[in-house]
Amino acid sequence: SQKIEQNSEALNIQEGKTATLTCNYTNYSPAYLQWYRQDPGRGPVFLLLIRENEKEKRKERLKVTFDTTLKQSLFHITASQPADSATYLCALGQAGTALIFGKGTTLSVSS
Amino acid sequence: GEEVAQTPKHLVRGEGQKAKLYCAPIKGHSYVFWYQQVLKNEFKFLISFQNENVFDETGMPKERFSAKCLPNSPCSLEIQATKLEDSAVYFCASISRGGEAFFGQGTRLTVV
Repeated sequence: SQKIEQNSEALNIQEGKTATLTCNYTNYSPAYLQWYRQDPGRGPVFLLLIRENEKEKRKERLKVTFDTTLKQSLFHITASQPADSATYLCALGQAGTALIFGKGTTLSVSS
Repeated sequence: GEEVAQTPKHLVRGEGQKAKLYCAPIKGHSYVFWYQQVLKNEFKFLISFQNENVFDETGMPKERFSAKCLPNSPCSLEIQATKLEDSAVYFCASISRGGEAFFGQGTRLTVV
């Protein structure tokens, strides 16, 4: 069955550094991969989508890479700020099918 | 901008009682998904709709769970005879044409 692993349950970094979160998957060929942010007591908020034929996507301080050979995505937050502290979820999908979520990585950025 | 609206925010039910949750998706989005988040960050897919038609219900425990998305009405998820293990946050998401999921704030169901 499909499996998604977000390698770190928790990641602590200092303000200003780059946070790098990892998402690995097996037994699946997604058409796209998405990253979401979830704050306590709230629903996930969409951040970025990257398709299987794309290697990299950027949005402001965020960067996502997608390697379908390694079956891995890396999610980077540059110049991190305490306001970036949240849980980040990786999700895989194909057209019209349910998104499959990883368990998330909780990022804490200290000032 | 438009948001996915879920009601109620909190719901408390005694074991064996019925629970009904509502979701108003974003207009123009054809797909609606329901997820259950039990433990921290574990999202379990329940059911999806394409407009008012069930698209995928492989995650639904059918003996007690049912769902509908009727035209001009909020979508609903109903749990008959709730059990303690149904305690969770239930999220609804509507999907844009680009595949992005827009989530509601969730309904926290507590079964006591």
